[in-house]
Amino acid sequence: DTGVSQDPRHKITKRGQNVTFRCDPISEHNRLYWYRQTLGQGPEFLTYFQNEAQLEKSRLLSDRFSAERPKGSFSTLEIQRTEQGDSAMYLCASSLAPLFRGSGRVGNEQFFGPGTRLTVL
Amino acid sequence: DAKTTQPNSMESNEEEPVHLPCNHSTISGTDYIHWYRQLPSQGPEYVIHGLTSNVNNRMASLAIAEDRKSSTLILHRATLRDAAVYYCILRGQGAQKLVFGQGTRLTINP
Repeated sequence: DTGVSQDPRHKITKRGQNVTFRCDPISEHNRLYWYRQTLGQGPEFLTYFQNEAQLEKSRLLSDRFSAERPKGSFSTLEIQRTEQGDSAMYLCASSLAPLFRGSGRVGNEQFFGPGTRLTVL
Repeated sequence: DAKTTQPNSMESNEEEPVHLPCNHSTISGTDYIHWYRQLPSQGPEYVIHGLTSNVNNRMASLAIAEDRKSSTLILHRATLRDAAVYYCILRGQGAQKLVFGQGTRLTINP
């Protein structure tokens, strides 16, 4: 257990429905990342936050995807009008920016949660 | 993003050392070499990273070629729990995202 939790762990939905996933990072971590992983592939970066600011978004993050981190703690990833191609594992990770090394952890590494597996029927 | 090349799969025996190679011939001077691994049904896990010098930690060692165009992750004494997909990643200074390739699937035989 890395300390990063994701909810739900599994989600099955019908095409066209909206889904929302939650990520709770390690408490002192100020950076939070979302990745997507399809079967047999490595994870692909979607977006990242520093505190509540969304600083980078991948082209993979279409208009149907939105991520928020309203208070700089937990984050949500919403997919609207799901498509079968959205079926994947959605991974969240957190890290500590180098200026805040007080936790004793290395600031450079990302700690991943267990992921939310989405199946779109 | 600079590209890395790894073998698709490798196999080793329990309690023996494992050397996982990675080629990164287009690495730039400020790129760090990171290794993550992903155990079955889990998210990736940080293993080690380095810039120019060899690095050791409790999990593994990282040997970096003098020209930095390749590196090797060394597991000194493999256990069954080390069976995973190992990813070699180049991360530019200040870059936040990790760019994962296909990785090397490591199988450990009892």
